[in-house]
Amino acid sequence: AIQMTQSPSSLSASVGDRVTITCRASQGIRNDLAWYQQKPGKAPKLLIHAASSLQSGVPSRFSGSGSGTDFTLTISSLQPEDFATYYCLQDYIYPPTFGGGSKVEIK
Amino acid sequence: EVQLVESGGGLVQPGGSLRLSCAASGFSFSSSWMHWVRQAPGKGLVWVSRINSDGSGTSYADSVKGRFTISRDNAKSTLYLQMNSLRAEDTAVYFCARDLLVGANFDYWGQGALVTVSS
Repeated sequence: AIQMTQSPSSLSASVGDRVTITCRASQGIRNDLAWYQQKPGKAPKLLIHAASSLQSGVPSRFSGSGSGTDFTLTISSLQPEDFATYYCLQDYIYPPTFGGGSKVEIK
Repeated sequence: EVQLVESGGGLVQPGGSLRLSCAASGFSFSSSWMHWVRQAPGKGLVWVSRINSDGSGTSYADSVKGRFTISRDNAKSTLYLQMNSLRAEDTAVYFCARDLLVGANFDYWGQGALVTVSS
């Protein structure tokens, strides 16, 4: 199975900060990568699919980039509601595999 | 409004069985691939299984292959996960999720059903 490695596993940031989370695949996955946001006790929410396509209804401060093995999720100006855990997911080859998660906490 | 509502979770002894259901509404269930994803307490997300729109094709994670069976009833707009030979490591919240296309991008999720395997 393809391994997805996220970094950092956690970070502290302030409202208004620019935040970047990276995800690396153990082999090339084209652009078959999605990003999810999960808040405690809630189901995950799809933010971005196909590496850079913003899901309908997701604020434009979220963006994704990358292809092949290296991918990035960027939040351009962190808002209070963005404090959560973020996961990447590859769907290039079954089984789909998630990264370990990146928890964004308030500084 | 799209809704996915899981039911059937609970406490079961090791080696036991449980069936989860996911009732769908607000979209064309019979046209959608569906998945189960689980999350152990305090841990990350793990994909479990998927089924194609007419139920003719299924896939499973190695960790549940041979023990879990995914199925669907399009007439009832309901997805199922039959879980047999349960182990302590199967303890998790189980989410059903709709596939955005026909891969593994999950655009709608249920609220989750907690399965606890313990004696």
